[in-house]
Amino acid sequence: EAGVTQFPSHSVIEKGQTVTLRCDPISGHDNLYWYRRVMGKEIKFLLHFVKESKQDESGMPNNRFLAERTGGTYSTLKVQPAELEDSGVYFCASSQGRARTGELFFGEGSRLTVL
Amino acid sequence: GDSVTQMEGPVTLSEEAFLTINCTYTATGYPSLFWYVQYPGEGLQLLLKATKADDKGSNKGFEATYRKETTSFHLEKGSVQVSDSAVYFCALSNSGGYQKVTFGTGTKLQVIP
Repeated sequence: EAGVTQFPSHSVIEKGQTVTLRCDPISGHDNLYWYRRVMGKEIKFLLHFVKESKQDESGMPNNRFLAERTGGTYSTLKVQPAELEDSGVYFCASSQGRARTGELFFGEGSRLTVL
Repeated sequence: GDSVTQMEGPVTLSEEAFLTINCTYTATGYPSLFWYVQYPGEGLQLLLKATKADDKGSNKGFEATYRKETTSFHLEKGSVQVSDSAVYFCALSNSGGYQKVTFGTGTKLQVIP
């Protein structure tokens, strides 16, 4: 069974440009989460989809970030325009049940470097 | 809000040494507690978990006990191996449905032969 896959693994862009990160969750997982780790700090929650609906987007830093999950399958996270402080590793995770008792399955992360 | 505090790294140990990585948390209610591990070049994976007070999670020789009185969930292993070198994240998830997981800053462990 394929795990959570993320693309690209590393992206280097200049300030002001646009980047789109993609996440393919494990098949059948209704819950999809985006997290971000900036410069060795804690991994911070960005948002949570249940199927195609945004359940919780309280962690999204600002309106330069747009997440979508068309048809409840894969998800994209677009940063437009990118700023220097957006650099970090963006993790996607999926789960079948509730996060409280279940397990989050993570992808390898997409490293974003904004110059 | 919920938060997790874990000891800063990096931690460097010789093979077969005893490992402790401290983790304390602040949360309302009765959270579930987790340790996740990220090996080099891989994604995070769940190492162990405990869902209620006094529960002990264990896996691959690692253990952690949910201590509500001290709000702690310290990770221990009696004899580390080089293959344990990784970044370890303490985390919690609170009750009430589909809740986000709150992570600590991570502790990098390097085990040398």
